Amino acid sequence: KQEVTQIPAALSVPEGENLVLNCSFTDSAIYNLQWFRQDPGKGLTSLLLIQSSQREQTSGRLNASLDKSSGRSTLYIAASQPGDSATYLCAVLSGGYQKVTFGTGTKLQVIP
Amino acid sequence: GAVVSQHPSWVICKSGTSVKIECRSLDFQATTMFWYRQFPKQSLMLMATSNEGSKATYEQGVEKDKFLINHASLTLSTLTVTSAHPEDSSFYICSARDLRGGETQYFGPGTRLLVL
Repeated sequence: KQEVTQIPAALSVPEGENLVLNCSFTDSAIYNLQWFRQDPGKGLTSLLLIQSSQREQTSGRLNASLDKSSGRSTLYIAASQPGDSATYLCAVLSGGYQKVTFGTGTKLQVIP
Repeated sequence: GAVVSQHPSWVICKSGTSVKIECRSLDFQATTMFWYRQFPKQSLMLMATSNEGSKATYEQGVEKDKFLINHASLTLSTLTVTSAHPEDSSFYICSARDLRGGETQYFGPGTRLLVL
């Protein structure tokens, strides 16, 4: 059974800092991994999707890397802004039944 | 491409009423759609897998008579929460897999349900 863990559960940083969010998974036989942001009272927004054959994806200030063999992914946020404050979720697609397993998220607060 | 929408994004209802949530794939066809639920401070969990034209497959612990799923077309799946109670208040999100192949699930933005 796939298990996805995100550390830390919460993170508070001053504006402008570069930061890294971590996601680890127990079963390395994955199809892909997605990073989402979830805003309070709002919906889910897909940020980056990394296929199993890829090592990283970039979008603007965001860079996500994937190391399947070690069961890890990181989301790097450059020059953080208050608008980046949200909960960040990673989700792994894996298994014979191709199920998505979500992590519990990292709640990020960027302080102006 | 690969956009999934949900309607409504927010719903507040009285206890005992039924609520229908729609999930649409806007620019692709999906034979398979998935419904997830997230309770406060918990991760999103799969509720059921919906296949077009057939009955949904529910995960263990999910009441199929309470959470009715209909996948009547290749672009629309609906989740109806019947006789909703405050404990059904949650964040519901759907995803869809493209008919043309591939394993990737494309997620909708989610629906927040508050049952008073």
